[in-house]
Amino acid sequence: DVKVTQSSRYLVKRTGEKVFLECVQDMDHENMFWYRQDPGLGLRLIYFSYDVKMKEKGDIPEGYSVSREKKERFSLILESASTNQTSMYLCAINNRGTSGRNTGELFFGEGSRLTVL
Amino acid sequence: SQKIEQNSEALNIQEGKTATLTCNYTNYSPAYLQWYRQDPGRGPVFLLLIRENEKEKRKERLKVTFDTTLKQSLFHITASQPADSATYLCAGTSYGKLTFGQGTILTVHP
Repeated sequence: DVKVTQSSRYLVKRTGEKVFLECVQDMDHENMFWYRQDPGLGLRLIYFSYDVKMKEKGDIPEGYSVSREKKERFSLILESASTNQTSMYLCAINNRGTSGRNTGELFFGEGSRLTVL
Repeated sequence: SQKIEQNSEALNIQEGKTATLTCNYTNYSPAYLQWYRQDPGRGPVFLLLIRENEKEKRKERLKVTFDTTLKQSLFHITASQPADSATYLCAGTSYGKLTFGQGTILTVHP
């Protein structure tokens, strides 16, 4: 079974704190994604990475950065957390089909619910 | 900008009936559409993918259609059960970019 593990299910941080959200996959897969999910706004892509040390901005990268030093780990960093970054954060990978090619669908982790006070 | 709209925020049906959820897309032509299920406090789980050249796809009690003329996908759950209650997300892919709808909350009443 594909496993995407997000290190923290629930976090509470204070405004201005630096926050790290970790995501680890066991699929040896290239593509990893960070989304945030908010009521009424759906899932929005923050950043994605298609290989080690490679990253691309998504639709809402402002206030975030990412790190991919190893293939299996993709970290989302909030340099200085703000209250408008209170949200559910979801990490995902592209599933690989039986042919070994990217099949388009995403496999998600369980999510990290961040509250910034 | 490309947009995916799921018209109903919530849908309530009786157990045993067929649930039909709608997904419309505007300002682009996705190469394929995907449907996910999401339970409260959990990550979405992939259900089905349908390509633009496919009219219909089935998996057990699930059926998805893709109508490029109407720019719409319909997602059906036949013989619905209370365990089918969840939020269902539609997503469209074009040139590698995946755009999600806001989701429809389905409640199946016993």
